[in-house]
Amino acid sequence: QKEVEQDPGPLSVPEGAIVSLNCTYSNSAFQYFMWYRQYSRKGPELLMYTYSSGNKEDGRFTAQVDKSSKYISLFIRDSQPSDSATYLCAMKTGGATNKLIFGTGTLLAVQP
Amino acid sequence: EAGVTQFPSHSVIEKGQTVTLRCDPISGHDNLYWYRRVMGKEIKFLLHFVKESKQDESGMPNNRFLAERTGGTYSTLKVQPAELEDSGVYFCASARVGSTEAFFGQGTRLTVV
Repeated sequence: QKEVEQDPGPLSVPEGAIVSLNCTYSNSAFQYFMWYRQYSRKGPELLMYTYSSGNKEDGRFTAQVDKSSKYISLFIRDSQPSDSATYLCAMKTGGATNKLIFGTGTLLAVQP
Repeated sequence: EAGVTQFPSHSVIEKGQTVTLRCDPISGHDNLYWYRRVMGKEIKFLLHFVKESKQDESGMPNNRFLAERTGGTYSTLKVQPAELEDSGVYFCASARVGSTEAFFGQGTRLTVV
């Protein structure tokens, strides 16, 4: 069983839609939860990270962590064609390391 | 400020040959990581340098892979001899000590034929 599970999609939505991306995990030692965005032929770019449980909002993006269910989500409001990319969830245990455990990524296409 | 730079962007080699990938981290970032994404799979950790020292190399697949970071600046990842299953995208990332944010390079796409 993989430590982090993520639906690979692809997910296609119309411009302006609310997008929900999710990951589940099995390792209860994870404390930091990240969302990366990766455009084609580029490296992953950190969008947001959350420590422990709770919500975090940054503009149109909201990250949620539910440690009791081992479930994390990324919501994108008012999605734009420029949001079309692969979204990767990643997790790690301690703060002193960036040894990240990634999900497989979800390919998102926002149609104009 | 320049980002993480990787060379080459793409390499095609024959099975049994040697390839060396290079990563130039962001200046001042003592932490340097190598990751790999094999087709259809998730990005996986290979190893972690703090300055020139290997902190964690638990993800290195086998002894055909050799990573170095002489002087604590740029790093190289050598694959010798390359096998077909080594094909994938190799990412390098760097981070300041104590920072949660790691910055990734654009990756090197390695194709072994």
